[in-house]
Amino acid sequence: NAGVTQTPKFQVLKTGQSMTLQCAQDMNHNSMYWYRQDPGMGLRLIYYSASEGTTDKGEVPNGYNVSRLNKREFSLRLESAAPSQTSVYFCASSDPTMPSRGGYTFGSGTRLTVV
Amino acid sequence: DAKTTQPTSMDCAEGRAANLPCNHSTISGNEYVYWYRQIHSQGPQYIIHGLKNNETNEMASLIITEDRKSSTLILPHATLRDTAVYYCIVRVGPYNTDKLIFGTGTRLQVFP
Repeated sequence: NAGVTQTPKFQVLKTGQSMTLQCAQDMNHNSMYWYRQDPGMGLRLIYYSASEGTTDKGEVPNGYNVSRLNKREFSLRLESAAPSQTSVYFCASSDPTMPSRGGYTFGSGTRLTVV
Repeated sequence: DAKTTQPTSMDCAEGRAANLPCNHSTISGNEYVYWYRQIHSQGPQYIIHGLKNNETNEMASLIITEDRKSSTLILPHATLRDTAVYYCIVRVGPYNTDKLIFGTGTRLQVFP
């Protein structure tokens, strides 16, 4: 099925370890996004990419880096994980050239625990 | 950025209409109102969106006031599977760099 695929689904890291969350979409969307969701909270935007080769900071970018590898893939990297980064991470994509056509498509999330 | 205000929680009896209000008094003329829902900890699911006119699809109806400062999402016949957190969002930003900024949403509980 067309959509947004995130890997891994679950991950446990030790403080100070690094890892990369992967996201890929097959809908030919220009824009991609990374959000985090803490328990009982709404989603907060970490970084977004309006097109291949461009990235911009969102609401909570500190401690993260991103790479828009190509039009399909947008990765999120934690260089030195901290317990405060324990969260569920969602990737999304959209076609902002046609806002009248609909919204974002979200992946199923990566549940990250930093101990 | 245009912000939205929603009640924290609502209840609805199964089979009845669920009316979820949203206030977005600072919305700009070209900004769309979007509704998403999130069931348990799944990824948010798109429901409906609108600019000025009322909209209806297979999932819900969206009623936007004439001054566009508020809207209501209507689930015409709520089922237990509609229990979720519902987010009202204004899609902000210029062409090609827009983004969705989520609030805390309304937790809808549908009861038998």
